[in-house]
Amino acid sequence: AQTVTQSQPEMSVQEAETVTLSCTYDTSESDYYLFWYKQPPSRQMILVIRQEAYKQQNATENRFSVNFQKAAKSFSLKISDSQLGDAAMYFCAYASAGGTSYGKLTFGQGTILTVHP
Amino acid sequence: EAEVAQSPRYKITEKSQAVAFWCDPISGHATLYWYRQILGQGPELLVQFQDESVVDDSQLPKDRFSAERLKGVDSTLKIQPAELGDSAMYLCASSFSGVYNEQFFGPGTRLTVL
Repeated sequence: AQTVTQSQPEMSVQEAETVTLSCTYDTSESDYYLFWYKQPPSRQMILVIRQEAYKQQNATENRFSVNFQKAAKSFSLKISDSQLGDAAMYFCAYASAGGTSYGKLTFGQGTILTVHP
Repeated sequence: EAEVAQSPRYKITEKSQAVAFWCDPISGHATLYWYRQILGQGPELLVQFQDESVVDDSQLPKDRFSAERLKGVDSTLKIQPAELGDSAMYLCASSFSGVYNEQFFGPGTRLTVL
């Protein structure tokens, strides 16, 4: 079974600064997808960014980018120019590309990000 | 903008009672998911539907939980009887078919079992 580990229960950053959230995963599969989801307080969870394992190029979405290290099974999220609205719980998630677990998201424990003005 | 709807938003019940949660996915989304999220933890998949068929219910406690998606549109998750350990947030999500597609989450139902 796949597992996702987020080793930072809490992180904080000053507004306009950069912060990196860590995620590692364990799998024996070669084809899979990785995601970062954001869950603001009392609001819906939303997708931040996604990465296909077979793509070596790191995904980027505006101020959000990832550092995908397939051999190390590491998938960190970098938030640049942090804004107050970035404050949320961030979840790293893994999805198999095939087999009986196709499409199923396995989430990490989450990292609470606080943004200080 | 289309959203996943869930009701009720909050539910307080006593143990051994029956509870039911409803989810209306975004129109056109063939895949529907029910997750359970214990406070301070990541969501855990309970059941996944493709249209009206269950494709994964391996983590669903089938002795007390049931889920259905009649006609492949909205879905109901039921717990009978509820236990103290069932207190959690129950999230519904939907997506187009395909693992790379974004899952859109509803606001959730916060269940408290007394």
